[in-house]
Amino acid sequence: QKEVEQDPGPLSVPEGAIVSLNCTYSNSAFQYFMWYRQYSRKGPELLMYTYSSGNKEDGRFTAQVDKSSKYISLFIRDSQPSDSATYLCAMKTDSWGKLQFGAGTQVVVTP
Amino acid sequence: DVKVTQSSRYLVKRTGEKVFLECVQDMDHENMFWYRQDPGLGLRLIYFSYDVKMKEKGDIPEGYSVSREKKERFSLILESASTNQTSMYLCASSNYPLGGIDTDTQYFGPGTRLTVL
Repeated sequence: QKEVEQDPGPLSVPEGAIVSLNCTYSNSAFQYFMWYRQYSRKGPELLMYTYSSGNKEDGRFTAQVDKSSKYISLFIRDSQPSDSATYLCAMKTDSWGKLQFGAGTQVVVTP
Repeated sequence: DVKVTQSSRYLVKRTGEKVFLECVQDMDHENMFWYRQDPGLGLRLIYFSYDVKMKEKGDIPEGYSVSREKKERFSLILESASTNQTSMYLCASSNYPLGGIDTDTQYFGPGTRLTVL
């Protein structure tokens, strides 16, 4: 079983809709949680970085961590066609730990 | 802006060839990483380095080696390429995690798509 599970999609939504992405994990020692965005033919870039449980908001993006359920989410409000990309969750146990990535969810926002 | 560059965007090699993938970062980062990315499997860590001339095995080091002679450059070597090494290879760099979260953010290069025939 993979340590980090993520639905590969594709997830297709109309422009303006809320995009909801999530990952589940099995290692309860994970404390640092990240979301990366990867456009086609590019490397991943960091979107959100959170520590432990709770919510973090940055513009149209909200990251949530529920450590009791071993579940993290990313919400994108007012989605735009430019949000079409693959979104990868990543996590690690401590600041020096190795990142474990989910497989990535492909999101398509249609005009 | 952090810049991580990789020597080739696309590479085609034959089985048994020795393959070098080069990565250079311009932000004086201590840490450098090599990942491979395959559909349905996400990014998997091959090797990483915390300092010049240091290297550590990641989760899938078999069939690979690395070299870090200078701080800004990290090379991935496939000693004898095989078809199961056909993949997207991504290099990343980061600082030491010495002050608050996200100071150790990994910055990725554009990737090298390697095909082994």
